Amino acid sequence: DSGVTQTPKHLITATGQRVTLRCSPRSGDLSVYWYQQSLDQGLQFLIQYYNGEERAKGNILERFSAQQFPDLHSELNLSSLELGDSALYFCASSPGRIEEETQYFGPGTRLLVL
Amino acid sequence: AQKITQTQPGMFVQEKEAVTLDCTYDTSDPSYGLFWYKQPSSGEMIFLIYQGSYDQQNATEGRYSLNFQKARKSANLVISASQLGDSAMYFCAMREGEGGADGLTFGKGTHLIIQP
Repeated sequence: DSGVTQTPKHLITATGQRVTLRCSPRSGDLSVYWYQQSLDQGLQFLIQYYNGEERAKGNILERFSAQQFPDLHSELNLSSLELGDSALYFCASSPGRIEEETQYFGPGTRLLVL
Repeated sequence: AQKITQTQPGMFVQEKEAVTLDCTYDTSDPSYGLFWYKQPSSGEMIFLIYQGSYDQQNATEGRYSLNFQKARKSANLVISASQLGDSAMYFCAMREGEGGADGLTFGKGTHLIIQP
């Protein structure tokens, strides 16, 4: 157990809908990262938050957004869903310091868009 | 150009043998970090080992060691005395630039199957 929690574990929804994925980082970690894993794109970095502020952006679509709350949990919002958004979405956390930069991953949320 | 290249899509290895999983990387940044993760069929991503670009010695964690050859830009994972439970996907990943910012770039992975 990495100490990172994600809910829900599975999500089935329809095209055009909007969903919210939730992540709680390990105790003491200030950085939260979101990744998408799909068969055709592999594992891709989406976005990073550090202590409530956006810190880095990867291949995140405009239809997707995220935020980190004062208690450091994070949410990833996916809207106007398309079939191609079906994937495993991971949250990871780290202390956010160069001397402790290992990212620990949550169990993931498996999203299926029908 | 790919930043992380894992040239072995799949590998079959006999139990108790040592395994080397290849990873080459491409960066012009002097500061970077290299990571290996294991993803069993259940789907979770398990951190195995880390090597910083300025580290003088190869990283080791139990049965895992990282063969870091900076000039060749390779960071191969070595698993000693393989076990059936080592069967999984293995991903090499890199962080570029000063630590604390930016996500990891992953390779496509190697599917390792340990045979009894």
